[in-house]
Amino acid sequence: KNEVEQSPQNLTAQEGEFITINCSYSVGISALHWLQQHPGGGIVSLFMLSSGKKKHGRLIATINIQEKHSSLHITASHPRDSAVYICAAYSAGSNYQLIWGAGTKLIIKP
Amino acid sequence: NAGVTQTPKFQVLKTGQSMTLQCAQDMNHNSMYWYRQDPGMGLRLIYYSASEGTTDKGEVPNGYNVSRLNKREFSLRLESAAPSQTSVYFCASSERIRITQYFGPGTRLTVL
Repeated sequence: KNEVEQSPQNLTAQEGEFITINCSYSVGISALHWLQQHPGGGIVSLFMLSSGKKKHGRLIATINIQEKHSSLHITASHPRDSAVYICAAYSAGSNYQLIWGAGTKLIIKP
Repeated sequence: NAGVTQTPKFQVLKTGQSMTLQCAQDMNHNSMYWYRQDPGMGLRLIYYSASEGTTDKGEVPNGYNVSRLNKREFSLRLESAAPSQTSVYFCASSERIRITQYFGPGTRLTVL
C-alpha cells in the first residue's frame, strides 16, 4: 500500500463542473504539497498546507490532519485546468523527503 | 525573474557517455533538488542540497554525482550513462527545506 494515495486516478468532466481530487496518507507528515503537471511536462506548485484551508483563484485545498486526508477542489472548471494533479507529503521523520502520490489525470471537456 | 532554469531541454546519449545537467535559480533560495520522473511513477529524489556547501543523497543516488557550485547553481552529472537512466530530470529549489518547491522545465534524457 502506498503511503500517499490519490483518487481518482483519472477524471473527465465537462467545463463548469466542480472538481474534487482526494489525497490520503498513512504516515505522519509535517505538511502537504499540491502540484500541477501540465501536458507539456512542466510542474507548478499550487499549495503547501499543514492545516485548514487555502484558496487561490478557483482552486481550494483543504487538509484534515486527524483523518489524514486532503482535498483539492476546482470551481468552474475550464479546459485549461486539464493536467495531472499531484499531492506530495513531507514526511515528519525526514528533513527532505517528499512522499509522492501517483497523480490524478484531469481532463475538462469544453 | 526566470525562476528555475535547466539546460539542456533534450539530450540523447550513448551508453557509457558522460554529461552534466545544469540548473540555476534566481530566487535566492537556499535549498535545491534533483528529481527523476519515469513513466507511471512519481518523482524520485536523486540528490538535494539543503544549503550552499552541502549535498546529500536522496532515494536514488546511484550513478549520479552533484555539485552545488554556488547558491544559484546545482549541477547533476552522469559519469557513465546507462539505459536505466533514461528519464525526465527536474531541478527544483525552495527557500529552505520542507517548504514549497519551485520546479524547472525539465530535461528529457534518452540513453541508447
